[in-house]
Amino acid sequence: GAGVSQSPSNKVTEKGKDVELRCDPISGHTALYWYRQSLGQGLEFLIYFQGNSAPDKSGLPSDRFSAERTGGSVSTLTIQRTQQEDSAVYLCASSLNGYRTGELFFGEGSRLTVL
Amino acid sequence: ELKVEQNPLFLSMQEGKNYTIYCNYSTTSDRLYWYRQDPGKSLESLFVLLSNGAVKQEGRLMASLDTKARLSTLHITAAVHDLSATYFCAVDKNNDMRFGAGTRLTVKP
Repeated sequence: GAGVSQSPSNKVTEKGKDVELRCDPISGHTALYWYRQSLGQGLEFLIYFQGNSAPDKSGLPSDRFSAERTGGSVSTLTIQRTQQEDSAVYLCASSLNGYRTGELFFGEGSRLTVL
Repeated sequence: ELKVEQNPLFLSMQEGKNYTIYCNYSTTSDRLYWYRQDPGKSLESLFVLLSNGAVKQEGRLMASLDTKARLSTLHITAAVHDLSATYFCAVDKNNDMRFGAGTRLTVKP
């Protein structure tokens, strides 16, 4: 597609359930980022994938959070045993590093509400 | 660890006035970005600054970068209501992109 695509756009779940959030980056972009934005707050870095390198997971807040990127393209962020404090907008961004400026292109986000 | 600090975090200004938003960062980097976020929307790229002394302008916004001071500024000239949004700076260190907390700008008539 033309831009970064995220799904679902909205997800309401019950505390303790697992959720999966999907990100489809811009074709050819080698770098993919996940950020979390709580209501009225800035962006919290979660994880970064660059090509085939090992991902930088330093921002994941707990072991309930994990992410993978299959075939260097689509990424899935999984949150296990969701808690109310996980409620936030999860933003995915991709970048064409190595050739251009590294500017990030963001998806519209997945709004997660944990009841 | 790369840290990015913005100030002010909240800015309310009258139309027609000028103001500057500041972005400081903790480690050497020569790639800095400014993004805009409208309420309920995602982030949109405004400026890409790739070298010391870089200056970019778009309409009433002008961004500059001083890599020696580890400082970028976003200057607003003669503000208009349409500029109301949250502005984020982000610093790229070895392709690791970290964001400031954002400056929520409100421009009042």
